[in-house]
Amino acid sequence: TQLLEQSPQFLSIQEGENLTVYCNSSSVFSSLQWYRQEPGEGPVLLVTVVTGGEVKKLKRLTFQFGDARKDSSLHITAAQPGDTGLYLCARSHSGSARQLTFGSGTQLTVLP
Amino acid sequence: SQTIHQWPATLVQPVGSPLSLECTVEGTSNPNLYWYRQAAGRGLQLLFYSVGIGQISSEVPQNLSASRPQDRQFILSSKKLLLSDSGFYLCAWSVAGGWNTSPLHFGNGTRLTVT
Repeated sequence: TQLLEQSPQFLSIQEGENLTVYCNSSSVFSSLQWYRQEPGEGPVLLVTVVTGGEVKKLKRLTFQFGDARKDSSLHITAAQPGDTGLYLCARSHSGSARQLTFGSGTQLTVLP
Repeated sequence: SQTIHQWPATLVQPVGSPLSLECTVEGTSNPNLYWYRQAAGRGLQLLFYSVGIGQISSEVPQNLSASRPQDRQFILSSKKLLLSDSGFYLCAWSVAGGWNTSPLHFGNGTRLTVT
């Protein structure tokens, strides 16, 4: 089983602070997706990264794919209470309809 | 636009009772369909996936089963529930053929409590 490790598992910060969460694996990803999930709902896709070293920005969120394509990070600038949620990374399986294996998630709480 | 419907939203069932959760997708044809289970605040475990009518692949041996009687309908079932079946069950779809980068589109889940 190719595991995805996410850290930290829990993160509680004050509004306005910056934070970074990580997603790591011992094997190479063909691509990686980040999702955010709010309580009682399904995860929603934030971004897909494909190329090693790729950086994508989504408003205050910056996603980076490691050069070796074994890790990824999500940085949030000036966090807001609306950023609260479970952040999940998911790796794809090349040529497989199974498609995605999910990490265990980072539960982020942004306090007003 | 595509939509995915999953019901019921919550369910409380006694141990040993049967289960049927239903998921339907609208606005797309021949989607890949998935059932995931999620422990509280944790990652998603893939249970079943389907690439077409009647085609089901199981990821984890257990007392659950899945069926796809129609192109856009996916059903999760059990003949006898166990306490360990409690959890948050999510149905999802993706575009067929776009393996590496196609996103999953999730329903809002069913919270199952087995008592």
